[in-house]
Amino acid sequence: DVKVTQSSRYLVKRTGEKVFLECVQDMDHENMFWYRQDPGLGLRLIYFSYDVKMKEKGDIPEGYSVSREKKERFSLILESASTNQTSMYLCAVEREQTYEQYFGPGTRLTVT
Amino acid sequence: ELKVEQNPLFLSMQEGKNYTIYCNYSTTSDRLYWYRQDPGKSLESLFVLLSNGAVKQEGRLMASLDTKARLSTLHITAAVHDLSATYFCAVDIPSGSRLTFGEGTQLTVNP
Repeated sequence: DVKVTQSSRYLVKRTGEKVFLECVQDMDHENMFWYRQDPGLGLRLIYFSYDVKMKEKGDIPEGYSVSREKKERFSLILESASTNQTSMYLCAVEREQTYEQYFGPGTRLTVT
Repeated sequence: ELKVEQNPLFLSMQEGKNYTIYCNYSTTSDRLYWYRQDPGKSLESLFVLLSNGAVKQEGRLMASLDTKARLSTLHITAAVHDLSATYFCAVDIPSGSRLTFGEGTQLTVNP
């Protein structure tokens, strides 16, 4: 199985701060994803990347950007955090053979 | 736009009983996934169903896929408390690599 780690389990930031969330995989898979999960709204795709320096917008990219400089690392950036970005953020890596996505432990971000 | 609907959204059942969670989706897809999420935790992959008629079983859970009906079921046999969790189905769009998730079914198994 793919091991996916995220830089923080819990994070508290202030409105207007720049926030970096990092995701690292222990293998060499190409596709990586960032989701946010909110009660009553389920999981929503923010961005995904299918290779180094390649990215595509998901369903809710506004207010976010991403960076993938190395294959194993995919970063989500909140340029100027706002309170409506308080959420659980989940990173996932796709295993090509089955298209199955493996999720990291999640980062619970609170913006005050 | 692909829509994925699960029902029920909330399910409270007694230990030892059987029940089925349903997952309907709106667009042709040959790939369907079931995940489990415990409170405060991330998602754990349960089943990957990659073709019409696929059936997979693990312990007290069995998942099946009918692509013609655009329906997957997750059947729980003789439920135990440890199965209490939220279960999500997810469907891959035909062009691949973008999962759309259902709302999740919150299952509570009571002793």
